[in-house]
Amino acid sequence: NAGVTQTPKFQVLKTGQSMTLQCAQDMNHEYMSWYRQDPGMGLRLIHYSVGAGITDQGEVPNGYNVSRSTTEDFPLRLLSAAPSQTSVYFCASSYSSGTGNNEQFFGPGTRLTVL
Amino acid sequence: ILNVEQSPQSLHVQEGDSTNFTCSFPSSNFYALHWYRWETAKSPEALFVMTLNGDEKKKGRISATLNTKEGYSYLYIKGSQPEDSATYLCAADSNYQLIWGAGTKLIIKP
Repeated sequence: NAGVTQTPKFQVLKTGQSMTLQCAQDMNHEYMSWYRQDPGMGLRLIHYSVGAGITDQGEVPNGYNVSRSTTEDFPLRLLSAAPSQTSVYFCASSYSSGTGNNEQFFGPGTRLTVL
Repeated sequence: ILNVEQSPQSLHVQEGDSTNFTCSFPSSNFYALHWYRWETAKSPEALFVMTLNGDEKKKGRISATLNTKEGYSYLYIKGSQPEDSATYLCAADSNYQLIWGAGTKLIIKP
């Protein structure tokens, strides 16, 4: 199993540009989520999905969209990039809908810089 | 939204010494408490997930305890080794969302 994969690993955008961060998992996990990680702060939840066709907002959803058309894929779209979105983005997945007592499996991260 | 606090923010420990650090969280609306180990340039990896008050879990030299009534969890490392150097994250699970602490950065001095 490849686990959780993310592309790209690095990305530089100009203010106002849009792009999609890709996330895929091959473990048949129901629950998937996107986090951003900023210096001195904990991981902050952007959006999450408890199954195909179902998404919901996390703590910091503004400026981001997600969709979950398949169990495997959970792309994160930046609509109009802003310097405040410079961060490291992690995708994670777990077995069941609802984190409950299920451990999270993380992708390798995408380092995004917005100029 | 829960607020999860970890202390200390960083910790220097001599190789061979034992150490522990704390994760505190609001005790209401609690489902589970997660501990993760995060090495530089890698992704977080799960250590423990605990749900019940009084839970104790162990993996090698690392163990954790959980007190859901007072809202805290301790992570213990016995006989620290250089490979234990990492940031240790805890996260509280509430209503399909994990709320993360900022982590404790552990540095083992040889």
